[in-house]
Amino acid sequence: EPEVTQTPSHQVTQMGQEVILRCVPISNHLYFYWYRQILGQKVEFLVSFYNNEISEKSEIFDDQFSVERPDGSNFTLKIRSTKLEDSAMYFCASRTAYANTGELFFGEGSRLTVL
Amino acid sequence: SQELEQSPQSLIVQEGKNLTINCTSSKTLYGLYWYKQKYGEGLIFLMMLQKGGEEKSHEKITAKLDEKKQQSSLHITASQPSHAGIYLCGALSSTGTASKLTFGTGTRLQVTL
Repeated sequence: EPEVTQTPSHQVTQMGQEVILRCVPISNHLYFYWYRQILGQKVEFLVSFYNNEISEKSEIFDDQFSVERPDGSNFTLKIRSTKLEDSAMYFCASRTAYANTGELFFGEGSRLTVL
Repeated sequence: SQELEQSPQSLIVQEGKNLTINCTSSKTLYGLYWYKQKYGEGLIFLMMLQKGGEEKSHEKITAKLDEKKQQSSLHITASQPSHAGIYLCGALSSTGTASKLTFGTGTRLQVTL
């Protein structure tokens, strides 16, 4: 069964360091998303990406965040200068072209710990 | 912005018992997804409802959508320990093709033997 894969599964970094989280969406999917979940809290939307550009972003997704689809398979989330409050589980998700009729597939998540 | 309230926040049931989880939206529902999450892990898709009155079942889990009430319910029949986890409802924010999901607060389910 096709799946969304994320790396790394867990990353520990020092405050102020840059972090890149990687995702490989399902191959025929066209819409890509990043969500995050701070421990014990809701799953929150960060950004959606379609046709090589950001479709929508939340207030959380400030100038410290960026997304990129550098090639035909990867979808990355970069945090330029991490803060303690960026510690969270980050989920990548993707869906097909029929965006509102099908499943939004989630990866297993990348746990980011900022010290 | 759309808010989703889930009730109850947590639930402990004995194996074999039935249970219901509710999800109420502050705005019109364009589509409602149910996911299950095990602690610290990814989200597993359960089902999606799009039309008012729609009802879907998968194994022992049934979900219904009441569009007028802006509400959905998830019902588990004869619960098993494998049903334990956090159940999340997610609502589409619009009918746009890149529409995002907004998630509820989650319901933590424990099933005791």
